[in-house]
Amino acid sequence: AQSVSQHNHHVILSEAASLELGCNYSYGGTVNLFWYVQYPGQHLQLLLKYFSGDPLVKGIKGFEAEFIKSKFSFNLRKPSVQWSDTAEYFCAVNARNRDDKIIFGKGTRLHILP
Amino acid sequence: EAGVTQFPSHSVIEKGQTVTLRCDPISGHDNLYWYRRVMGKEIKFLLHFVKESKQDESGMPNNRFLAERTGGTYSTLKVQPAELEDSGVYFCASSQGLGVQSSYNEQFFGPGTRLTVL
Repeated sequence: AQSVSQHNHHVILSEAASLELGCNYSYGGTVNLFWYVQYPGQHLQLLLKYFSGDPLVKGIKGFEAEFIKSKFSFNLRKPSVQWSDTAEYFCAVNARNRDDKIIFGKGTRLHILP
Repeated sequence: EAGVTQFPSHSVIEKGQTVTLRCDPISGHDNLYWYRRVMGKEIKFLLHFVKESKQDESGMPNNRFLAERTGGTYSTLKVQPAELEDSGVYFCASSQGLGVQSSYNEQFFGPGTRLTVL
């Protein structure tokens, strides 16, 4: 079955702390991997994506994620978080080379304490 | 360029009533997707249009849900009759078709419609 598992549902950190959000997926075939973010009151937007090439991808606002194929993982990292990173983060997957539906994880609510 | 828009932003209806949600995709985007997030759960796929045709409707929960995309532009999602478990946020997304040299096609999401069924 196709699924995405996010390790943490709710994370609270202080500003300047390092962040790592875990994500594992189960999907037959070649995949695209995504992290989406939804800031309070805003649209769901793409934070970063992996579809081929360097497994370490960099996104907006200093975020990065590493695709480890052997572990079916795509963890999100940021070395030093800011209060403005408070949001909900979704790991997601879909099929490569197809206009396919996206499978989302349940989301992680991140609260950054000022 | 205008993004994906959805109307209404909120809707509160009583069980048994009918509600119609609308999505306007980004101009020129052939692909249009509907997703839903029920409280506390993941965002789940409902269906996918390519232009006016239903490409995949495997996520539609039951026959109380009817989606249309006449003319391949905007889409509507009707729930009739609405039940309590239909409450949630309904997202629409659109994307261009895959090009010859592209293996990835970003889906752009709208703000969602929050549906509350009482």
